[in-house]
Amino acid sequence: GEDVEQSLFLSVREGDSSVINCTYTDSSSTYLYWYKQEPGAGLQLLTYIFSNMDMKQDQRLTVLLNKKDKHLSLRIADTQTGDSAIYFCAGTLNNDMRFGAGTRLTVKP
Amino acid sequence: DVKVTQSSRYLVKRTGEKVFLECVQDMDHENMFWYRQDPGLGLRLIYFSYDVKMKEKGDIPEGYSVSREKKERFSLILESASTNQTSMYLCASSPRGASGYTFGSGTRLTVV
Repeated sequence: GEDVEQSLFLSVREGDSSVINCTYTDSSSTYLYWYKQEPGAGLQLLTYIFSNMDMKQDQRLTVLLNKKDKHLSLRIADTQTGDSAIYFCAGTLNNDMRFGAGTRLTVKP
Repeated sequence: DVKVTQSSRYLVKRTGEKVFLECVQDMDHENMFWYRQDPGLGLRLIYFSYDVKMKEKGDIPEGYSVSREKKERFSLILESASTNQTSMYLCASSPRGASGYTFGSGTRLTVV
């Protein structure tokens, strides 16, 4: 199965870029995902990348995938206070999804 | 707007009680999942189901059971609640095949 690791905390200033990193063990994952969890809420799918891609951009979000190093990152440009949340990376093989422990992003004004 | 609805946001139960957590989805998804979320541990899979009346154990099924009598409803049952089951419980669903999950808002269960 998939093992997914990510750092637990990240703090940035408003307007800066945030980069949240994730490593995974199973190179056969077909999709890799980023979810956002705001306080007291469930997880919301932010974006995903297919395993044969190395980059995907969606407005302020950029996902980079390095398959050789099994490394996934999420870059948030022009980070806002509303981006403060916990961000989870996840990988899926068939129907089984594995989540990292989540990175708590704090955005300081 | 597609939805996964968990019946309660907050629950307080006593040790030894039987607890039912309900989850309903309106997207005709085949797959449904129950996770618990604890600080520093992320999401851990308790049980999942790929079809009506089907259920599979996840990583931490001990102390839990599930029921899926209808496609849209997936219930998590704590047969005899214990304090170490105090947690946030998240339900999710997805269509068949590799796809992102849609999550409910979660139920924060406290067992006293």
